[in-house]
Amino acid sequence: GQQLNQSPQSMFIQEGEDVSMNCTSSSIFNTWLWYKQDPGEGPVLLIALYKAGELTSNGRLTAQFGITRKDSFLNISASIPSDVGIYFCAGQGALPNFGNEKLTFGTGTRLTIIP
Amino acid sequence: DGGITQSPKYLFRKEGQNVTLSCEQNLNHDAMYWYRQDPGQGLRLIYYSQIVNDFQKGDIAEGYSVSREKKESFPLTVTSAQKNPTAFYLCAASDGPYGYTFGSGTRLTVV
Repeated sequence: GQQLNQSPQSMFIQEGEDVSMNCTSSSIFNTWLWYKQDPGEGPVLLIALYKAGELTSNGRLTAQFGITRKDSFLNISASIPSDVGIYFCAGQGALPNFGNEKLTFGTGTRLTIIP
Repeated sequence: DGGITQSPKYLFRKEGQNVTLSCEQNLNHDAMYWYRQDPGQGLRLIYYSQIVNDFQKGDIAEGYSVSREKKESFPLTVTSAQKNPTAFYLCAASDGPYGYTFGSGTRLTVV
């Protein structure tokens, strides 16, 4: 099955640094979502984007829905220890077409903060 | 609070045994999904169900089976035909364009 190209695969940063990751697809999506997974837990939704060009913030997180509808990026400003985890992007097709609820996930970006 | 409940959190299986992982939701969502996650890897879709009494194979369905007799429940059975079942299993539910709500996962280990 298709997986989105997400980069980088892993990041090692110091506390206080800004973080940037992105996701690209060969297909157009109508919705882009960003999830975070803590170790041993299920992913939790961080940000949802519904319109091409949309820029949305959630605290220190900012995400954008690419104008071509084939990409998205996530920025985290001033990283803190609880930002550690795996970040996944996900794309969703056009609704309410039956079957298009199914998300296509990125391969994940593992964020580690170096003491 | 509405959510997804997966049980057990940890499960140990002997070689050749079938085991069933539970997933229950009280979100009243129509669609439910099972994913497998291997260490350091992304999410791979096993099975999904859009409505009661109907389900579809995902990308890695071999060695797994599911049922959807009730809207709230979507159990996953890992059969003896699954040769490498040790992994972290995630259940999710969705209802339209708002993404998935995930459970907290079941870690299955073959002993």
